[in-house]
Amino acid sequence: GAVVSQHPSWVICKSGTSVKIECRSLDFQATTMFWYRQFPKQSLMLMATSNEGSKATYEQGVEKDKFLINHASLTLSTLTVTSAHPEDSSFYICSARDVQTSSYNEQFFGPGTRLTVL
Amino acid sequence: KQEVTQIPAALSVPEGENLVLNCSFTDSAIYNLQWFRQDPGKGLTSLLLIQSSQREQTSGRLNASLDKSSGRSTLYIAASQPGDSATYLCAVRGNTPLVFGKGTRLSVIA
Repeated sequence: GAVVSQHPSWVICKSGTSVKIECRSLDFQATTMFWYRQFPKQSLMLMATSNEGSKATYEQGVEKDKFLINHASLTLSTLTVTSAHPEDSSFYICSARDVQTSSYNEQFFGPGTRLTVL
Repeated sequence: KQEVTQIPAALSVPEGENLVLNCSFTDSAIYNLQWFRQDPGKGLTSLLLIQSSQREQTSGRLNASLDKSSGRSTLYIAASQPGDSATYLCAVRGNTPLVFGKGTRLSVIA
């Protein structure tokens, strides 16, 4: 159980275009999903917390107008990178928390999406 | 603000050796600590989750300990194998989502 999927697994786009990444919890409901970004040889950095039915909370330094997050259902959150630039090239990983688990609220991670902006 | 540090940043050992990876965190008010494995270009594989009330967790050749008061955790890998080569990430959860360390890049040489 507790499987999280991401689509696409990798994407290459031209500078100035927008890219949408989907994160789905396959076998559980997730009121909260998290988006992380990982640059080469760096750790995962939290970008934003997405709550179903409400606006996402962004970490300091993350532009909310550039990284649009939508969490329209208990099993799907999307991250749209708008007007992508080469410096946005990174590994984007989503994580979901299962509302049905114990109070420990373990986060389950997707396999990640590799974004390359030319 | 929680900060997680992992030492060493990289480690190379011969096959069969036992090894210890270290993780420290600045805010001891945590709910749990988790160790992950990440292969190059891949996502995360959860290895062990230790709740704040626990001292250690074991899974196969892996043993993780937690000393919450001192802000430290160790991951012990017994009888290392080339397949253990990967980056190992430590992450802690308090009143925030998981905060990650930069990881230890492990190479096990056959």
